[in-house]
Amino acid sequence: NAGVTQTPKFRVLKTGQSMTLLCAQDMNHEYMYWYRQDPGMGLRLIHYSVGEGTTAKGEVPDGYNVSRLKKQNFLLGLESAAPSQTSVYFCASSPMFLGDTQYFGPGTRLTVL
Amino acid sequence: DQQVKQNSPSLSVQEGRISILNCDYTNSMFDYFLWYKKYPAEGPTFLISISSIKDKNEDGRFTVFLNKSAKHLSLHIVPSQPGDSAVYFCAASAGNQFYFGTGTSLTVIP
Repeated sequence: NAGVTQTPKFRVLKTGQSMTLLCAQDMNHEYMYWYRQDPGMGLRLIHYSVGEGTTAKGEVPDGYNVSRLKKQNFLLGLESAAPSQTSVYFCASSPMFLGDTQYFGPGTRLTVL
Repeated sequence: DQQVKQNSPSLSVQEGRISILNCDYTNSMFDYFLWYKKYPAEGPTFLISISSIKDKNEDGRFTVFLNKSAKHLSLHIVPSQPGDSAVYFCAASAGNQFYFGTGTSLTVIP
């Protein structure tokens, strides 16, 4: 039972490049989330999904897009990376909505030069 | 504007003593509160939670207290152990709103 996995673990991009972060969960959870963690800012919700085929904006959605084509996967895309998107990105899933216990992946460290 | 605040970025405690981590929030609609623990290079893990209908919840060495009138919650760890050294995040939710605090780094000194 792998729980929540994230791919890749590290990535370095140049400004303007695009990339997709992949999150996968094997717990059959309905809800999935993408967060970013920055020094002094805690964890901030980027986007979330309440089920397959659905997505919704969180606290800091600008510059990111997401897709939930399959229940077990939640993709986070950066179409044109900016240095301000340098951060550690965490994916999470939960059986129920935001107030329920969330299970986190190990994180992806992204640097945009 | 930060809706959930942890005003102490760091805290150091001697092993065996009590650790008290604090969290303040601004939105009176928040009705569920959680604490997560995070080790370096790992994702956060759930620790303990409390509903707004309660003022205390206990789980082993961990107790969370909620003071709704003050919009304040705290996490008590007794006794503190070196393995408790980590960053602790509080979180609050209401409907489709969910916010984490900025985190407090706890160091338990052996």
